[in-house]
Amino acid sequence: GQQVMQIPQYQHVQEGEDFTTYCNSSTTLSNIQWYKQRPGGHPVFLIQLVKSGEVKKQKRLTFQFGEAKKNSSLHITATQTTDVGTYFCAGPARAGNMLTFGGGTRLMVKP
Amino acid sequence: DSGVTQTPKHLITATGQRVTLRCSPRSGDLSVYWYQQSLDQGLQFLIQYYNGEERAKGNILERFSAQQFPDLHSELNLSSLELGDSALYFCASSGTGQGMSEQFFGPGTRLTVL
Repeated sequence: GQQVMQIPQYQHVQEGEDFTTYCNSSTTLSNIQWYKQRPGGHPVFLIQLVKSGEVKKQKRLTFQFGEAKKNSSLHITATQTTDVGTYFCAGPARAGNMLTFGGGTRLMVKP
Repeated sequence: DSGVTQTPKHLITATGQRVTLRCSPRSGDLSVYWYQQSLDQGLQFLIQYYNGEERAKGNILERFSAQQFPDLHSELNLSSLELGDSALYFCASSGTGQGMSEQFFGPGTRLTVL
């Protein structure tokens, strides 16, 4: 079945440093979604990418969807302590309507 | 606040018992999804309902079952509980039944099996 993998699993950064998490799918995706889960919280939708090669920005966050629509990345510029949390990518399974979530990247930011 | 509500917030029970988790989707959303998140783990999809009917099934154990009622709220029933069932259980809703839709997650129910 479809697999969605994320690396790294954990990342410690100093406040102000940049951060990137990568997402790879075993199959081509019609779209990819990104969610953020704060410690003790629930996943919150950040963005959806649909087009091959698409790049979207939200303030310090930059999201990319690969040309082959099998990989994606999330880059945070100049991290802040408010960026702490786990970032998940998710793509629709080929069969059915469910989303397959990656294992997540847990970001920790040292002030 | 996502508009999705889940009750109870916490549940502590013993092995072998049965519990019911409840979820009310956002107003107007027809799809409800259930996920299990174990400690430091990702989100494991369990099951999806759309307008009262089962739409997709993930890695849901036979001891677990779910349903969606005419008012669109959903219940997840976990029976013959084992220690390994201790986890956070999230419900999410979306406007459509398609994988293209963003999902809105509830605050979760933390289940502890002793």
